[in-house]
Order: sequence, then structure tokens, then C-alpha cells
Amino acid sequence: TQLLEQSPQFLSIQEGENLTVYCNSSSVFSSLQWYRQEPGEGPVLLVTVVTGGEVKKLKRLTFQFGDARKDSSLHITAAQPGDTGLYLCAGIPYNFNKFYFGSGTKLNVKP
Amino acid sequence: ETGVTQSPTHLIKTRGQQVTLRCSSQSGHNTVSWYQQALGQGPQFIFQYYREEENGRGNFPPRFSGLQFPNYSSELNVNALELDDSALYLCASSLSHKNEQFFGPGTRLTVL
Repeated sequence: TQLLEQSPQFLSIQEGENLTVYCNSSSVFSSLQWYRQEPGEGPVLLVTVVTGGEVKKLKRLTFQFGDARKDSSLHITAAQPGDTGLYLCAGIPYNFNKFYFGSGTKLNVKP
Repeated sequence: ETGVTQSPTHLIKTRGQQVTLRCSSQSGHNTVSWYQQALGQGPQFIFQYYREEENGRGNFPPRFSGLQFPNYSSELNVNALELDDSALYLCASSLSHKNEQFFGPGTRLTVL
């Protein structure tokens, strides 16, 4: 079982549509990070959320950290083909000394 | 300021062989973590080095070992390669073991 569960696993949408990706855990995290990874490359950090209930915006991307610090979401408004990639959430849960990644959400935005 | 670099970019080995992968951390970063990413999956934590000492390990057998050098660059060594070791190996560096990580482009290892 994964410590961080992401849903959906796959998402194929048309350009201009909105979408939300979820990252859930039964563990509490001091912070969660979101990455985007393109084929053949390493993950690129998008944002870190630290405070329970926090909302951060990065242009058309909105990130939210759950009040209980066990979950997070990524919402993309008016998706573009350039948003295509693998979206990963990750973090270090309390009482753990390891960095965990979710299994990822593979997003394909069709023109 | 240079980012995280890894070498080689691609590597093909056969079962039973040994491999060494290299990582240069971002300038000023003293922590390096290694991850294995199988096709279609999220990265799995192998281990982390903080100031030249191992600072946490994932569920990988002892044939996965590592080193961190005084300049904070790092090596990942894998002995007795198995077919399932075929994956993208990612290195990430950070300012300390609790800070944000920045990833290199990875080394694609294929074991035949």
C-alpha cells in the first residue's frame, strides 16, 4: 500500500477544461510538495504547502493543503497542452525519516 | 548556479553485473537522496546522505549502497544486478535533510 494515494491515475481532457488531482494519506505531513515530471526527465518542484488549510496559486494552478494536513489537491483551470505530464505529490510524514511520493497522476491535455 | 547533474544518462548492463551511478548536487546543498522510478510509477526512496553519512533508507536490499563525498557529490552502487533493477534512477539534493529537494534528470538503467 502507498502512503500517499493519488487519484485519478490517468486523466485525458480537452484543452480549456478544468481538472482536479487529489493526494490523500492516513498520515499527517509537516508539508507536502507537488512536482511535475515529463518523460525522460526528473520531477520539477511546483509548490510546497506547509500550513493546514493553506491555498497557493501558481498562475492557472491552485494547490490546497487539507486542514488536518493529511491530504492535498491540485486544481488546473483552462488546461493547456503544455500542462501534459506526470503530477506527483510527496512529503515526509511525522515520525518517519523518509520522503514518500504518491504513485502519480498522468495528465494528457489534447489540443 | 548549476543544478543537479547525473551521469551517465543511459546505461545498459546484464544480470549479475555491478553499476555505479553518479550525482553532483546543486551548489550549497549538503543532502543527497536517491530514488528508483519504475515505468509508470512514482519514485521510490532508496536512501539519503546528509553530510557524508547515511540518513535514512527505504526498503531496498543491501546490494544497493551509496557514498557521499566531502564536496557533497554522491554515488549509488548496485551489485548483482537483476532484471527488476531496470528503472530511472533519480538523485535529488537539498539544503538540509528537511528542505525542498531539487532533482537531476536521472539515469536510465536497463538490465538485460
